[in-house]
Amino acid sequence: AQSVTQLGSHVSVSEGALVLLRCNYSSSVPPYLFWYVQYPNQGLQLLLKYTSAATLVKGINGFEAEFKKSETSFHLTKPSAHMSDAAEYFCAVSSAGGSYIPTFGRGTSLIVHP
Amino acid sequence: GAGVSQSPSNKVTEKGKDVELRCDPISGHTALYWYRQSLGQGLEFLIYFQGNSAPDKSGLPSDRFSAERTGGSVSTLTIQRTQQEDSAVYLCASSGDRGSPTDTQYFGPGTRLTVL
Repeated sequence: AQSVTQLGSHVSVSEGALVLLRCNYSSSVPPYLFWYVQYPNQGLQLLLKYTSAATLVKGINGFEAEFKKSETSFHLTKPSAHMSDAAEYFCAVSSAGGSYIPTFGRGTSLIVHP
Repeated sequence: GAGVSQSPSNKVTEKGKDVELRCDPISGHTALYWYRQSLGQGLEFLIYFQGNSAPDKSGLPSDRFSAERTGGSVSTLTIQRTQQEDSAVYLCASSGDRGSPTDTQYFGPGTRLTVL
């Protein structure tokens, strides 16, 4: 079985501040991990994914995430928030030898204040 | 090129009526997924189609829900005898790989279903 926990349904930051969105996973086999972003009234789009190569993964729009096996975490960060980053962010996990269908977290809404 | 499209974008129906939701995946994509997104609940997997293989229906919440995919392309999700708890956004996604767990999914904008 696999699961994802996203800590904090809402995260609020000021424009220019560090963005940190937390994701912890559970998987009995090596995981593959994803971050997707959903802008208002749109579908989800991929930000980045970890597929067992480099543990530090860089994505679009200046986001990056680091896979930490010892902490079972895949937190998403961005050094400086922009107003356009306001959106819903979803972490997802799938597994080699396990479910090819990703399991999604409940999402974290990022609010960016001027 | 065109992305995943879904229709209608919004659907309001009365309790007990049947509804059909349509998904047009990216041309050439062999995999197609349906999810349900309820407020604060994340994405709930419903059903998965891969090529000509039998679909994975393990996520369908009841026998009122069914889906088909014609010609390996367009898919229709049908909900019979709708209930108020069926109100949600229904998302469709497609991917081009053959069911690899590293697949990137491409999502449509969703259909917002409201059951009165």
